[in-house]
Amino acid sequence: GEDVEQSLFLSVREGDSSVINCTYTDSSSTYLYWYKQEPGAGLQLLTYIFSNMDMKQDQRLTVLLNKKDKHLSLRIADTQTGDSAIYFCAESPAMDTGRRALTFGSGTRLQVQP
Amino acid sequence: DVKVTQSSRYLVKRTGEKVFLECVQDMDHENMFWYRQDPGLGLRLIYFSYDVKMKEKGDIPEGYSVSREKKERFSLILESASTNQTSMYLCASRPGTGEGNTIYFGEGSWLTVV
Repeated sequence: GEDVEQSLFLSVREGDSSVINCTYTDSSSTYLYWYKQEPGAGLQLLTYIFSNMDMKQDQRLTVLLNKKDKHLSLRIADTQTGDSAIYFCAESPAMDTGRRALTFGSGTRLQVQP
Repeated sequence: DVKVTQSSRYLVKRTGEKVFLECVQDMDHENMFWYRQDPGLGLRLIYFSYDVKMKEKGDIPEGYSVSREKKERFSLILESASTNQTSMYLCASRPGTGEGNTIYFGEGSWLTVV
């Protein structure tokens, strides 16, 4: 079945760049997403990328997609302590597959050291 | 803004009790989902619904049932709660179409079964 994998933990210093990586298996994925979860809260959409794109930039966030290798990354520039959270990668299949739910990775906990 | 509201944030229930988790969305979305989140396991799909009175099993439906009598409301039911159902439960909704076709989450319900 579909699978999404992420490393579990990343630690960076404030002001550095953070890069969170994700791999997925479903070649029919249409959209790929990054969500952020702060302690005790639900998941908040950060950004998404359509599968025919290879890069998307949104302020401090840069998403890179390598469709051939099924690899997605999220780069956070000038990481701040407020960026400390769990980051989830998710993929969405084509709607005509009948599968309407997103498949999520296990989440990467980002710890930002002052 | 899309709002997904989970009525109970924190619940403590006894083994064998019947538990209802309620979720309401205000954006007329066709699709609604219940996920369970456990440390190191990410989000796992329990059930989803793509229309009123329609439901489909997700990856871990055992021990759960759902109800969707109205489009805006999706309930998760634990017929006889067990300690291994102690977890955080996340409700989400998603439109049928649209740019990004994003899934929106509620704030989560923390359930402890003792």
